Amino acid sequence: DAGVIQSPRHEVTEMGQEVTLRCKPISGHNSLFWYRQTMMRGLELLIYFNNNVPIDDSGMPEDRFSAKMPNASFSTLKIQPSEPRDSAVYFCASTQGSGSYNEQFFGPGTRLTVL
Amino acid sequence: DQQVKQNSPSLSVQEGRISILNCDYTNSMFDYFLWYKKYPAEGPTFLISISSIKDKNEDGRFTVFLNKSAKHLSLHIVPSQPGDSAVYFCAASRRDYGQNFVFGPGTRLSVLP
Repeated sequence: DAGVIQSPRHEVTEMGQEVTLRCKPISGHNSLFWYRQTMMRGLELLIYFNNNVPIDDSGMPEDRFSAKMPNASFSTLKIQPSEPRDSAVYFCASTQGSGSYNEQFFGPGTRLTVL
Repeated sequence: DQQVKQNSPSLSVQEGRISILNCDYTNSMFDYFLWYKKYPAEGPTFLISISSIKDKNEDGRFTVFLNKSAKHLSLHIVPSQPGDSAVYFCAASRRDYGQNFVFGPGTRLSVLP
């Protein structure tokens, strides 16, 4: 199995530009998570989906952030417009089932730098 | 306010010795705890977990201890190996929290040869 796939691995953009991060979960997994890692706040859950439906988006910082999951094998996290404080590593994770304790499998992350 | 705390940003240990990583939590409703390990340029990977009905769980060189009254858990690695050098994240969950894991800020472990 290829594991969780994220693209791009690195993204450098200028303030005000739109950024789209992509994720392909592990085949057969029906829950998908977007996390952000910063030095100050560690790993924060932004949003998660179960069966392509957003369940909890309380971690999304503000309206500039949006996430979609049009099908079971693809999700996007979009930032529009981007700001320097959005610079972080963004991880996607997936798991099978909807249990509270299921191990989450993480992708390699996208390192975003907003200048 | 952080619900899961790892107060040591870094830890250095000699190869062969014991590594002890600590984690504290504030929410007494948490009932499941996990440790993840992260190497540079990779995503976190699951290491070991413990339910609140237990106070110890062991898997090879890794043991997690849970002290519910103190709201404290620790990860012991014995013996430590250079390949254990990584960032370790503590995470907590609760049955009525959906699938929301709350992660600590991480502790960077360096195992010196």
